[in-house]
Amino acid sequence: AQKVTQAQTEISVVEKEDVTLDCVYETRDTTYYLFWYKQPPSGELVFLIRRNSFDEQNEISGRYSWNFQKSTSSFNFTITASQVVDSAVYFCALSGRGRSSNTGKLIFGQGTTLQVKP
Amino acid sequence: DGGITQSPKYLFRKEGQNVTLSCEQNLNHDAMYWYRQDPGQGLRLIYYSQIVNDFQKGDIAEGYSVSREKKESFPLTVTSAQKNPTAFYLCASSITGWNSPLHFGNGTRLTVT
Repeated sequence: AQKVTQAQTEISVVEKEDVTLDCVYETRDTTYYLFWYKQPPSGELVFLIRRNSFDEQNEISGRYSWNFQKSTSSFNFTITASQVVDSAVYFCALSGRGRSSNTGKLIFGQGTTLQVKP
Repeated sequence: DGGITQSPKYLFRKEGQNVTLSCEQNLNHDAMYWYRQDPGQGLRLIYYSQIVNDFQKGDIAEGYSVSREKKESFPLTVTSAQKNPTAFYLCASSITGWNSPLHFGNGTRLTVT
């Protein structure tokens, strides 16, 4: 079975602090993709990043960075120098190429609510 | 601009009534999805469709129905059989493929009393 766990329900930081959102996943698939989405107060989920299981290189995009470690089945997301506009719910998700390929079914974690205070 | 439109944003219904949530996309995506979001439970898949006139049940399809008569449209009906219909409903679309990122609409918040 596939599962995504985001153990941090809520995180509160002060602006300019760095913050890391944890994501741990379970899958038996050897080929899979991991995603992060941001859900601002408007409600729409915004795609942030996709990483495949064969690419363990860390990725940096501006103030955002992602640390993928297959050995610990983790795909953590760090925001450097956080800003008030980063306040949102962040979801980690997993898609595996199991017996049913081409389904596009994502398994989502429970989400982490990040509050950045000025 | 391309995107996904969900309407209405807020919907109120009395218990025992069926209600249909609209989802339209102009991204030319073949696949469309309906998710339900409840506090502390993340997103759960209700139904998905890979192509017109075809759809499959997701993890929590009971009490819901869908249709896919047009590529652009994937309406969701919440029937009176759904025991806890009050939730935030999100529609999404993607190009076909198990690893394609989903594009989401703004959601519909349904309240049933």
